[in-house]
Amino acid sequence: EPEVTQTPSHQVTQMGQEVILRCVPISNHLYFYWYRQILGQKVEFLVSFYNNEISEKSEIFDDQFSVERPDGSNFTLKIRSTKLEDSAMYFCASSVQGTKYEQFFGPGTRLTVL
Amino acid sequence: KNQVEQSPQSLIILEGKNCTLQCNYTVSPFSNLRWYKQDTGRGPVSLTIMTFSENTKSNGRYTATLDADTKQSSLHITASQLSDSASYICVVSDTGANSKLTFGKGITLSVRP
Repeated sequence: EPEVTQTPSHQVTQMGQEVILRCVPISNHLYFYWYRQILGQKVEFLVSFYNNEISEKSEIFDDQFSVERPDGSNFTLKIRSTKLEDSAMYFCASSVQGTKYEQFFGPGTRLTVL
Repeated sequence: KNQVEQSPQSLIILEGKNCTLQCNYTVSPFSNLRWYKQDTGRGPVSLTIMTFSENTKSNGRYTATLDADTKQSSLHITASQLSDSASYICVVSDTGANSKLTFGKGITLSVRP
């Protein structure tokens, strides 16, 4: 059964460093999403992406964040200058069509900022 | 502001017993409601999706109900198993071209032998 994959599973970085989190969505899906979950808190929407552009973003997704689909299969989330409060699980998800349809989540990348 | 509230916060039951998890939402305009199961350290996995016109949907031992008038949903788990121990998250989608998902905090279920 096709699934969303994410790498790395755990990323440790120093405050101020740039990180890139990678995701490979399910191959026939057209909509892609990033979410984060701070330890002990609820999942929060960051951004949705369709047709090679951002379709929606939350107030969390500020200028420090960017997304791209560089090669037609990977979907990446870049954090330019990490802060301590960026430490969280980051989940990628994809769906065949828009938000009305089921979203399939990856296993997550645990980001730890020291 | 769209919100999803879940209760109880956590629940402990014995293996083989049934349980019901509650969700109240104030998302408008409403599109659909989903229940996800999230194992510790893993991504959420969809259990059910219900639209406005559906008031019950089953997936094996999981049965979700939806009352769109009172904006309430429940997830009933029958004959619980140890593997049901997880967080159960209620998620509501609004309508529109750029609709978003609003997540509840989740209910931590522990099934004990």
